[in-house]
Amino acid sequence: SQELEQSPQSLIVQEGKNLTINCTSSKTLYGLYWYKQKYGEGLIFLMMLQKGGEEKSHEKITAKLDEKKQQSSLHITASQPSHAGIYLCGAPWGGGSNYKLTFGKGTLLTVNP
Amino acid sequence: NAGVMQNPRHLVRRRGQEARLRCSPMKGHSHVYWYRQLPEEGLKFMVYLQKENIIDESGMPKERFSAEFPKEGPSILRIQQVVRGDSAAYFCASSPDRGLNTEAFFGQGTRLTVV
Repeated sequence: SQELEQSPQSLIVQEGKNLTINCTSSKTLYGLYWYKQKYGEGLIFLMMLQKGGEEKSHEKITAKLDEKKQQSSLHITASQPSHAGIYLCGAPWGGGSNYKLTFGKGTLLTVNP
Repeated sequence: NAGVMQNPRHLVRRRGQEARLRCSPMKGHSHVYWYRQLPEEGLKFMVYLQKENIIDESGMPKERFSAEFPKEGPSILRIQQVVRGDSAAYFCASSPDRGLNTEAFFGQGTRLTVV
């Protein structure tokens, strides 16, 4: 079974709408990374959350980590076509370091103009 | 400061040939990680290296795959006698250290196609 489940698997929104992507863990989270991947390209680092209750924002993207629920959410406000891509969450379960990031399968976001 | 550089971006190999994928970490980063992204699957950890040392290769297939990170030059992921199932995107990431709260930056990836 997948250790990190992302929902929804895909999402289509109209430009200007808000949206939320969830990442739910089957194990305790010691941190959580969010990346964005354009089709056929590399991963762009978005945010790293280190402890429960932490919330970080960058431009119109906000991410929160709820350790008790073993869940993180990524919220985009007033979406734009430039937000389109695959959003990946990754958890560091490699014995106290970040190198063994376990990733979810991703959420494909399409933003229609 | 250039990001993580991977080359080639695209690589086509016939079955049985060797594939060499290169990764130059960000300046000042001495920790390199390789991940593989297979079609319809997520990113999977393969190997973690520091200069001249393999720290963890638990995600590497037992045969045909090897990795190195020499004192000078880029890290190399080598796949011998490639098969169609090796077709995937291979990503390299680097970080300045291995602490829990260290950001890891990924390269653009090498897309290997085995024909």
